[in-house]
Amino acid sequence: LAKTTQPISMDSYEGQEVNITCSHNNIATNDYITWYQQFPSQGPRFIIQGYKTKVTNEVASLFIPADRKSSTLSLPRVSLSDTAVYYCLVGARVQLIFGTGTRLQVFP
Amino acid sequence: NAGVTQTPKFRVLKTGQSMTLLCAQDMNHEYMYWYRQDPGMGLRLIHYSVGEGTTAKGEVPDGYNVSRLKKQNFLLGLESAAPSQTSVYFCASSEQDFPLPYFGAGTRLSVL
Repeated sequence: LAKTTQPISMDSYEGQEVNITCSHNNIATNDYITWYQQFPSQGPRFIIQGYKTKVTNEVASLFIPADRKSSTLSLPRVSLSDTAVYYCLVGARVQLIFGTGTRLQVFP
Repeated sequence: NAGVTQTPKFRVLKTGQSMTLLCAQDMNHEYMYWYRQDPGMGLRLIHYSVGEGTTAKGEVPDGYNVSRLKKQNFLLGLESAAPSQTSVYFCASSEQDFPLPYFGAGTRLSVL
């Protein structure tokens, strides 16, 4: 199972773009890269998933280089409500492994 | 459409007591999971199920048992609770071919 490494915490201000990078050096061919968001006292919520290149939805963008050994979650123009823990997961089947995540704090 | 519902939301147990956490999903998902989350840490997979009548061990299965008698329900049992099992427990479910777990709101369990 691929292990992921993320920064423990990040700070930002409202309106800025935030990029959170995740390293996954031993990603397997069949693995997808998935990001979840978790607010205090809530279950994690799916944000975005990708396999290679770039994926964009209404919430975020996910950039994956050709070697797939890392990925970057990009949150455009963050607001206070984006303060949460963000988890990067790598896997293709059932056993998705959560790391300790990145705690994003957005300041006014 | 309720999604994933966990019962109860809170529970306090004494060491040695037993209890069962219930997870119900109404999305007709094949896969179901139980995770635990300790303060300041990520989620760790306890047990999971890839279909009715099947269960498998995850990262931290010791001290827990599970059952999946019906497709929509996944039960997590603690036979003899220990203080080390104080945690927040999350249930999740996902489709078979593209596992993206949908999580419940969690059950906060304290073992004294």
